[in-house]
Amino acid sequence: RKEVEQDPGPFNVPEGATVAFNCTYSNSASQSFFWYRQDCRKEPKLLMSVYSSGNEDGRFTAQLNRASQYISLLIRDSKLSDSATYLCAGTSGTYKYIFGTGTRLKVLA
Amino acid sequence: SQTIHQWPATLVQPVGSPLSLECTVEGTSNPNLYWYRQAAGRGLQLLFYSVGIGQISSEVPQNLSASRPQDRQFILSSKKLLLSDSGFYLCAWSVGVAINIQYFGAGTRLSVL
Repeated sequence: RKEVEQDPGPFNVPEGATVAFNCTYSNSASQSFFWYRQDCRKEPKLLMSVYSSGNEDGRFTAQLNRASQYISLLIRDSKLSDSATYLCAGTSGTYKYIFGTGTRLKVLA
Repeated sequence: SQTIHQWPATLVQPVGSPLSLECTVEGTSNPNLYWYRQAAGRGLQLLFYSVGIGQISSEVPQNLSASRPQDRQFILSSKKLLLSDSGFYLCAWSVGVAINIQYFGAGTRLSVL
């Protein structure tokens, strides 16, 4: 089993829709989690950090469920510009992250 | 503010040739530095990380090596490239230990032919 797993998608949603991605992790010792956004052929950029129960930033909400070992990302009122690949990552030890393979989102006009 | 520079942006190299990719960070001291590789349609694979000058941790045994000759400089090298070394190479930095958010450079797209 991979340490961090994501549904690769693609998730095709219409503009204005609400979409949610889940990311499961196997290392119960992971302390912090992150969502990154990666546009095609670009570097990942930090979207949100998730340290405890959750985090909200505008249309984006991230939740952490330690009992079931997953984190989620909810995007409300999807915009065309939200189309990207969303990577989740969890800490592994002191300095390292383990990344999932990413979930691809396409927001359709 | 902190910035990370990575070059070149694109590189095409023949099989068997050497490789040197450089990454530098500005605006911070004693960063943690990372090299990742992302193969087409795949996730990020951690190759090396460094928490100080001369300190290199290797995550995956392979055809590559890393060095950190200066505090804010991280170099990825190979003596002889293989076809399987093709991919998108990303350098990242973070600071601290407990909660160390990683920030990525723009990456180098390497094609080995």
